[in-house]
Amino acid sequence: DTAVSQTPKYLVTQMGNDKSIKCEQNLGHDTMYWYKQDSKKFLKIMFSYNNKELIINETVPNRFSPKSPDKAHLNLHINSLELGDSAVYFCASSQMDVTEAFFGQGTRLTVV
Amino acid sequence: GEDVEQSLFLSVREGDSSVINCTYTDSSSTYLYWYKQEPGAGLQLLTYIFSNMDMKQDQRLTVLLNKKDKHLSLRIADTQTGDSAIYFCAELTGGGNKLTFGTGTQLKVEL
Repeated sequence: DTAVSQTPKYLVTQMGNDKSIKCEQNLGHDTMYWYKQDSKKFLKIMFSYNNKELIINETVPNRFSPKSPDKAHLNLHINSLELGDSAVYFCASSQMDVTEAFFGQGTRLTVV
Repeated sequence: GEDVEQSLFLSVREGDSSVINCTYTDSSSTYLYWYKQEPGAGLQLLTYIFSNMDMKQDQRLTVLLNKKDKHLSLRIADTQTGDSAIYFCAELTGGGNKLTFGTGTQLKVEL
């Protein structure tokens, strides 16, 4: 069983479109995250949710809106996609103390 | 600041030891981590160390922590071709709410 699963794995879309990436974890964790990895492999946190509440929002444009319908899911919706949004987006989960964070396989988003 | 720095590349021969270094800046970090990323794959947690420890060994992996210098290292003994990957150190920051990652070190293992 996959602990943290993201869909889709690849996403190619045109500028200006709206798209969503889904994430689910079956580890019983109470905290979920979205990270962005750029073309130079730099990893930076975007959002963190604990028990469905937003606790970290790291200066991410308003076009990005995370949604957590329950503790096991954290989806990422992106409006009006831009070329610079092309990256690999990783979902992760942990308990609140983040002793161990587990990552999904990533979603490679390409905006053309 | 919250910059975590690593050298970008390391090349070793199969069977040698690899040492990957990391310098972090947040002295209040309670945990420090090493993650491995293989090409096209996600991040795999390799090991972590609590800030009150100075060494942790796990099979071929040895983590050394110098809290005074804010220096973390990962030693891989008997490096194999399957160890070729990008290695990220990370520190627990933001009051324990997030992981801040280093810039990543690309390890290449040559025959």
